[in-house]
Amino acid sequence: GAVVSQHPSRVICKSGTSVKIECRSLDFQATTMFWYRQFPKQSLMLMATSNEGSKATYEQGVEKDKFLINHASLTLSTLTVTSAHPEDSSFYICSAPRASGGAFGEQFFGPGTRLTVL
Amino acid sequence: AQTVTQSQPEMSVQEAETVTLSCTYDTSESDYYLFWYKQPPSRQMILVIRQEAYKQQNATENRFSVNFQKAAKSFSLKISDSQLGDAAMYFCAYRGGADGLTFGKGTHLIIQP
Repeated sequence: GAVVSQHPSRVICKSGTSVKIECRSLDFQATTMFWYRQFPKQSLMLMATSNEGSKATYEQGVEKDKFLINHASLTLSTLTVTSAHPEDSSFYICSAPRASGGAFGEQFFGPGTRLTVL
Repeated sequence: AQTVTQSQPEMSVQEAETVTLSCTYDTSESDYYLFWYKQPPSRQMILVIRQEAYKQQNATENRFSVNFQKAAKSFSLKISDSQLGDAAMYFCAYRGGADGLTFGKGTHLIIQP
């Protein structure tokens, strides 16, 4: 199957600093990527849709100025958590759909990034 | 907005037995996809099975099969001949259009040896 990578796999930072997480589709192009957040013992919640060449769209309740998304190329999307606080500590997962035949492409998930804000 | 409900926070089954995980969803769309994902302790999301809403035939993948009832908006997962490696969190998910996935809260599946 298709491969999606994330970097870093885990990061620890101090409160008030910014952290960048990269999501790459390694063997296919993705004009759209999705960012999810998963708190401990909870489900995945969609945060935003990253669109290559245009602005990201954010789900209700997600601060666009805090979670900056840049889809710089057809294989790379970055999520920057600005001025991180302890409540932003979570597991961040990206996914990328690969179009295959029908209108809906199967989504391939990255391995996730564990963010801990001290 | 679409919602996905998994009413079983935890299920336990004996190895080699069959278990069914339930999922219901709510949507006003007629065309959509439904998925079951497995999340082991590594937290890597693994696709187990998917169902296109326009297909009446239930999807099957080896020991995994679904019971898709479109009118009832129900999408249960049956795991036959349960194996120790099946132990994980299982998430039911919905996707309409080109949107991201909406997940249920998950079911923690325990396999008793």
